[in-house]
Amino acid sequence: QKEVEQDPGPLSVPEGAIVSLNCTYSNSAFQYFMWYRQYSRKGPELLMYTYSSGNKEDGRFTAQVDKSSKYISLFIRDSQPSDSATYLCAMSPTGGSYIPTFGRGTSLIVHP
Amino acid sequence: EAGVTQFPSHSVIEKGQTVTLRCDPISGHDNLYWYRRVMGKEIKFLLHFVKESKQDESGMPNNRFLAERTGGTYSTLKVQPAELEDSGVYFCASSQRLTSGGKETQYFGPGTRLLVL
Repeated sequence: QKEVEQDPGPLSVPEGAIVSLNCTYSNSAFQYFMWYRQYSRKGPELLMYTYSSGNKEDGRFTAQVDKSSKYISLFIRDSQPSDSATYLCAMSPTGGSYIPTFGRGTSLIVHP
Repeated sequence: EAGVTQFPSHSVIEKGQTVTLRCDPISGHDNLYWYRRVMGKEIKFLLHFVKESKQDESGMPNNRFLAERTGGTYSTLKVQPAELEDSGVYFCASSQRLTSGGKETQYFGPGTRLLVL
């Protein structure tokens, strides 16, 4: 079993839709949860991070962590074509200097 | 502020040849990381420098891979001799030295796409 599972997609939605991206994990030691966005031919860019359980909101993006279920989510409201990218979840045991364990990434396509 | 840069952007070599990848981190960033993504798989950690010292090289696949960071600035990753399974995208990332209780944000370069034929 992989430490982090993420459906690669692709996920295709119309502009304006609410997008839900998810990851599950098996390592109970993970405390620091991140979402990266990667555009084609670019490197991953940190979008959001949360520590332990709970929700965090940043504009149209909301990150949720449910440690009891070992399940994390990223919601995108009012999705735009510019949101089309690969979204990678990543997680690590500590909030300080860390080596993240990545999911495979989910390819999101938002069509006009 | 310039981001993390990597050179070359693409490299196609034959099995048995040598390839050297270069990463220039963001100026002032002490931490430098190398990662690799094999097609269809996750991004995997290779190693971590703090300035010129190797902090963690537990992800290096074997002794055909050699990473250096002379002077604590740019870093090189050499693969010698290259094998077919070394094909993938090699990413470099850098971050500032952490302060007490601080959170680390790694900034990734665009990657080097390596194809070994």
